[in-house]
Order: sequence, then C-alpha cells, then structure tokens
Amino acid sequence: DTEVTQTPKHLVMGMTNKKSLKCEQHMGHRAMYWYKQKAKKPPELMFVYSYEKLSINESVPSRFSPECPNSSLLNLHLHALQPEDSALYLCASSQAPGAGNTIYFGEGSWLTVV
Amino acid sequence: EDQVTQSPEALRLQEGESSSLNCSYTVSGLRGLFWYRQDPGKGPEFLFTLYSAGEEKEKERLKATLTKKESFLHITAPKPEDSATYLCAVQMNYGGSQGNLIFGKGTKLSVKP
Repeated sequence: DTEVTQTPKHLVMGMTNKKSLKCEQHMGHRAMYWYKQKAKKPPELMFVYSYEKLSINESVPSRFSPECPNSSLLNLHLHALQPEDSALYLCASSQAPGAGNTIYFGEGSWLTVV
Repeated sequence: EDQVTQSPEALRLQEGESSSLNCSYTVSGLRGLFWYRQDPGKGPEFLFTLYSAGEEKEKERLKATLTKKESFLHITAPKPEDSATYLCAVQMNYGGSQGNLIFGKGTKLSVKP
C-alpha cells in the first residue's frame, strides 16, 4: 500500500496567521518531499528530507519552514504568507533518496491566503 | 538545459477511441521516467516507472513505452473514467539532484461517452 496522508485538505489563512501542513507515511520511506503546484502547472520541488535531514531547499522563502520530527512525519510551517502563495501543496515520499526511486504523492493540501 | 515536453496539451477522445500521449526529453543521464495521473484537485497518482530504452509496462488500458528520446503512453479503448491530466517526469543521475523529478506540463485527456 503506497499511501501518503496529508492534513488538512483545505486551509484558508490570513497573511498574519501561522499555520502548519502535516504529512504522514507508514511505508518505511526515508526520503520525504514538499512540492508546490499552481493551477494548470506541474508540481515544483520545494524541499527534500533524506533520513530526516534537510538535503535540498530550492531557494524557498523563509516564510515556509519545513520540519521532519521523525521518519514518518513531515510538517510545513507557514507564516506571513502572501496571496501568491495560494496553491496545492503536495507531500511525497520515496523508499530512499536519489535517482531510481519512485516518488509517491499525497492528495495535497489546498492553501488559500487571503 | 534539461527539458521535458509533453504533447498534445489536450486530447479529446470518444469512448473506445485508442490514442497515444507523447513525452519527449532532453536530459543527460536519465535515471528513470515516470508517468502519473492527476485528477482535478488531487495529488498525482503513480502509474509507471521506466528505466531503460525498450522497456514497456502495462496496467489495464494503459501501456507505457520508452525510447532514448521519448516515451509514449498508449490508451486502448479508453473510458470516461480515464479522463485526467497525465504527467510525465524524469529523474537524472547526478549527485545534486537527490532524484528530483522534472515534470512536463501534462496532457489533459477528456474521454466522452
């Protein structure tokens, strides 16, 4: 079973709010990812965690702060976002980091910044 | 520059009308090519991984093939429930990439009954 679970499914937040997106997988995967997807565009990589350590940050603004508390959980903390940050945020995981490993996505969290 | 191009952007088929989607790539050190299906408002659903030219994989009405320059997703006798956006993505084989996916822009498939 390849399942990545994301909560909440929908989130509306003001520009001064602090909120978090959560992601969980129980497949024993050791790489976890955050992607951002705008309407009618493909997903774009934000962060990669390998063995619970941040290994890639694709020049993401500091108002997005990732956290990997353990090998099954991944959070994305949001603070002082802008309306242009409204998008579908996708969590994903793979058995191991690096090429050759299939990346499995969750259903996503729809974020609207007002 | 590494690129992934999907065509057509949109495809409308009648139920039962077979067709193919194309994904061409210009990358160095291809490590894997992936096909995903994405329904509106949902995350991409994994379909296939292809690793080497000549490889083929099938799942129900879908068949994916890979050459050195492109991949095809063949849809045989499609049904309305096959309507979705199909995304192609590649992984390169160099150290800094961490296996990141480079996506094409997708093909939006609509199958009418």
